Amino acid sequence: SQTIHQWPATLVQPVGSPLSLECTVEGTSNPNLYWYRQAAGRGLQLLFYSVGIGQISSEVPQNLSASRPQDRQFILSSKKLLLSDSGFYLCAWSDVYSNQPQHFGDGTRLSIL
Amino acid sequence: AQSVSQHNHHVILSEAASLELGCNYSYGGTVNLFWYVQYPGQHLQLLLKYFSGDPLVKGIKGFEAEFIKSKFSFNLRKPSVQWSDTAEYFCAVIPTGGGNKLTFGTGTQLKVEL
Repeated sequence: SQTIHQWPATLVQPVGSPLSLECTVEGTSNPNLYWYRQAAGRGLQLLFYSVGIGQISSEVPQNLSASRPQDRQFILSSKKLLLSDSGFYLCAWSDVYSNQPQHFGDGTRLSIL
Repeated sequence: AQSVSQHNHHVILSEAASLELGCNYSYGGTVNLFWYVQYPGQHLQLLLKYFSGDPLVKGIKGFEAEFIKSKFSFNLRKPSVQWSDTAEYFCAVIPTGGGNKLTFGTGTQLKVEL
């Protein structure tokens, strides 16, 4: 069966520090991968999605970047965090061959101090 | 681009009350529709989905939703809620044939009181 792992579960970082959140998927090949952010009082916002290795699409201009070094690995990064980067970050995947709903990781709670 | 509106941000109900959460979408073509639920401390999980066919779809835990194309709506219902239904509920839409980019509503926080 397919599983998705996302870590860390919680992270507290000072303003200006770098960020690296990792997400891996097991049990499937060539998935579509996604990073979402859920800010307090707001819905889920798609940040990045990837249809293949090295292929990243950004949905909103921001301080973050994403990379996909391997087929089932998706990394969310920042060189210098801002206070506004605080939030709950979710990784998700979907089957590239069908229009199926996405499966989500457990999320990372990021607090910027 | 598509958009989703959930008009009820916070809903408080007593156990055994009936539930209806509103969801309206905006898109010029055909769509697939979803409801997700996030229980406290847990990850998002799929509650139900509509792709085609019978517009009344049934999901897990006694939930159902009705797709009304003329109203661009996909409201979530449950005849009798339980305390364990306390959670945040998200409606989502994706154009058919338009890739795999789900667009989510802002969510509805449901609290069920004993």
